[in-house]
Amino acid sequence: AQSVAQPEDQVNVAEGNPLTVKCTYSVSGNPYLFWYVQYPNRGLQFLLKYITGDNLVKGSYGFEAEFNKSQTSFHLKKPSALVSDSALYFCAVREISGAGSYQLTFGKGTKLSVIP
Amino acid sequence: GAGVSQSPRYKVAKRGQDVALRCDPISGHVSLFWYQQALGQGPEFLTYFQNEAQLDKSGLPSDRFFAERPEGSVSTLKIQRTQQEDSAVYLCASSLEAAGLGNIQYFGAGTRLSVL
Repeated sequence: AQSVAQPEDQVNVAEGNPLTVKCTYSVSGNPYLFWYVQYPNRGLQFLLKYITGDNLVKGSYGFEAEFNKSQTSFHLKKPSALVSDSALYFCAVREISGAGSYQLTFGKGTKLSVIP
Repeated sequence: GAGVSQSPRYKVAKRGQDVALRCDPISGHVSLFWYQQALGQGPEFLTYFQNEAQLDKSGLPSDRFFAERPEGSVSTLKIQRTQQEDSAVYLCASSLEAAGLGNIQYFGAGTRLSVL
């Protein structure tokens, strides 16, 4: 079975400071990993994904994430936070093959608040 | 359309009523997914369609939940004899190709179901 853990319910950061939103995962085989962002009353918007190759993935709005296989982590980062980055962030995983390969499994989400 | 469209956006039902939730995926998208998002949680997989074929319905919580996509485009999620625990946001997502290869899923804004 596949699972995702986002250990922080909320992350507060000052505008202009770097931000990190943590994610760890568990799968039987190799993972596809995703980050999505959700604004109030909106659907989830895709930010970035890791499939294979370079462990550092760059995505939308200046976000990036680093895949670390030994630590089974896929933390989301941004060098300089904006107030408009305040939202709910979800990490998701899917196994490359196997019974769960149709399903995206999401973490519980981390609320990011960027303080002006 | 430009994105995934879901209707209605809000639905209030009395316990025991039947409801039908509609999803209009992005035109030409092969894959369609339904997720259930309870308050304060991440989305949880319900079911997956590849064109008109329902390939995975392992996430449907009970036999009161039924989904269809008869012509491989619009999908309907039906919940019979609604219960209070069915209250959640129901998200629909579509992707261009068959599930696999880390395809991006594009989400609609969701239908918020409240069962009184």
